[in-house]
Amino acid sequence: AQSVTQPDIHITVSEGASLELRCNYSYGATPYLFWYVQSPGQGLQLLLKYFSGDTLVQGIKGFEAEFKRSQSSFNLRKPSVHWSDAAEYFCAVGSTSGTYKYIFGTGTRLKVLA
Amino acid sequence: ETGVTQTPRHLVMGMTNKKSLKCEQHLGHNAMYWYKQSAKKPLELMFVYNFKEQTENNSVPSRFSPECPNSSHLFLHLHTLQPEDSALYLCASSFSLWGEGKNIQYFGAGTRLSVL
Repeated sequence: AQSVTQPDIHITVSEGASLELRCNYSYGATPYLFWYVQSPGQGLQLLLKYFSGDTLVQGIKGFEAEFKRSQSSFNLRKPSVHWSDAAEYFCAVGSTSGTYKYIFGTGTRLKVLA
Repeated sequence: ETGVTQTPRHLVMGMTNKKSLKCEQHLGHNAMYWYKQSAKKPLELMFVYNFKEQTENNSVPSRFSPECPNSSHLFLHLHTLQPEDSALYLCASSFSLWGEGKNIQYFGAGTRLSVL
């Protein structure tokens, strides 16, 4: 069965520090992969996506993610975090086999220290 | 107006009330989704509609009744809810086709529901 694991429930970083949020998935083939961000009181906003091709994908707000097939991972990174990045981040897996369902991870809540 | 709009943003209801959540998308999509987001739990997919037809019902209790009159509008009718139904209810939409770029889901801001 498909599954997504985000091992870190909470992460705290200082403003200006680098960030890496972990995501591991279980899927029989190369899935579609997504990162979403949710600010307090808001819905989910798509940060970036991976379908195929270059394994390093760029997203909005200076985020990037790298797909590593050997590790079944799709970690999200940002070189320098801003206070406005404080939010909850969700990794999701989409099926490539003809259905448009997503499986979401449990999310990682990011706190940014001034 | 663009995107996915949900109303109301906040709703407080008693266990015997009947209320409805509304979702509207202006993205030309054909598929619409209801999710439930509870604290410390993954997003739970509740219902999926594709071209107004329900294609997914993830064992949702009958006190939640979805309605999709057209590809742009989705409702969630609520009646005799329980306190554990308090959550953020998110609506999303996407193209109904699969393949690269086709099944990206776009989310509304959600309705925060409190059941007393």
